[in-house]
Amino acid sequence: DIQMTQSPSSVSASVGDRVTITCRASQGISSWLAWYQQKPGKAPNLLIYAASSLQSGVPSRFSGSGSGTDFTLTISSLQPEDFATYYCQQANSFPQTFGQGTKVEIK
Amino acid sequence: EVQLVESGGGLVQPGGSLRLSCAASGFTFSDHFMDWVRQAPGKGLEWVGRNRNKLNSYTTEYAASVKGRFTISRDDSKNSLYLQMNSLKTEDTAVYYCVRVRGAHYFESWGQGTLVTVSS
Repeated sequence: DIQMTQSPSSVSASVGDRVTITCRASQGISSWLAWYQQKPGKAPNLLIYAASSLQSGVPSRFSGSGSGTDFTLTISSLQPEDFATYYCQQANSFPQTFGQGTKVEIK
Repeated sequence: EVQLVESGGGLVQPGGSLRLSCAASGFTFSDHFMDWVRQAPGKGLEWVGRNRNKLNSYTTEYAASVKGRFTISRDDSKNSLYLQMNSLKTEDTAVYYCVRVRGAHYFESWGQGTLVTVSS
């Protein structure tokens, strides 16, 4: 199975900050990577697919980059509604696996 | 608007069975691959399995942790997806999400989830 490792596990930030979350795959996955946002008690929401494509309806302050084994999710200017947990997911092969999550908290 | 509504969760004893259902609306259900993803309390996300569409012969894939115990099926005439869970273990306790797949790779639309608790 492909292991996905996110860092950091949590980050404290203020409204307006730029936040970067990284995800590393245990083997190359080309650009088969997605990012999800999950708020407490809610289902996850797809933000980015194919490493850098913005899902319809997602604000442009979210962006993704990377290929191969190293990927990044960037929130350019953190908004109050962005405090949540973020997960990466590899879609290169079965079983599709997720990172352990990164919690973005209010500083 | 895409809607996925899961039902059938509850409390079951270890070794027992449960069948989850997912009612889909707002899109052409028969065109899409559909997955189940679960989340244990306070934990991360775990992919459970996939049911492909008729064009792909309704073939299925499963995570190793559930293979041989869980079965995913669908009824396109009822716009419904199912997860039959047998020989349940305490570690199967989780919220189970029904998910529409985008392009065979990404989890595009999620239901609200249904909680399955396996405990004696």
